[in-house]
Amino acid sequence: AQSVAQPEDQVNVAEGNPLTVKCTYSVSGNPYLFWYVQYPNRGLQFLLKYITGDNLVKGSYGFEAEFNKSQTSFHLKKPSALVSDSALYFCAVSELYSGSARQLTFGSGTQLTVLP
Amino acid sequence: NAGVTQTPKFQVLKTGQSMTLQCAQDMNHNSMYWYRQDPGMGLRLIYYSASEGTTDKGEVPNGYNVSRLNKREFSLRLESAAPSQTSVYFCAIRPLTAYEQYFGPGTRLTVT
Repeated sequence: AQSVAQPEDQVNVAEGNPLTVKCTYSVSGNPYLFWYVQYPNRGLQFLLKYITGDNLVKGSYGFEAEFNKSQTSFHLKKPSALVSDSALYFCAVSELYSGSARQLTFGSGTQLTVLP
Repeated sequence: NAGVTQTPKFQVLKTGQSMTLQCAQDMNHNSMYWYRQDPGMGLRLIYYSASEGTTDKGEVPNGYNVSRLNKREFSLRLESAAPSQTSVYFCAIRPLTAYEQYFGPGTRLTVT
């Protein structure tokens, strides 16, 4: 069974500082990893994914994530945080099940607050 | 919201009432999903449909039924609502050539 852990419920960072939101995963095969962002009273927006290849993947709004197979981690990063980055962030993992369903399993979410 | 619409946006039900949440897509994708979001628990998969006419249970299917009568629509039905079903419900689609899913705006359901 696949699972995802986001060890921090809340992350606070000052505007202009680098930010990191942590994610670790557990799968039996090769992981497909994703980050989503949710602004208040909105649906989830896709930020980036790791499927294969380069361990550093770049996504929307200046975010990037680093895949580390030995540590089973996929941390979300941004070099310089903006107040507008304040939101709820979800990490997710997928494995191929029957057919092509590709179910996602989500972490519990990390609330990022960027302080002005 | 990636061409995914959900109705209604908000709903309040009394315990024991029934209702159907509607999800429609305008992109002709095969795979559709229903999730519920509860504080501190992330999103949990209720049901999914890999293609028109097929549905499968996810992690938390009890108390729900789904219907995928055509490619465009995937509905979620609560036959007898319970307070434990108070949640925000999201529908998602996955394009055939993509690994990621795209989400609708959600339905906020309160059961009293």
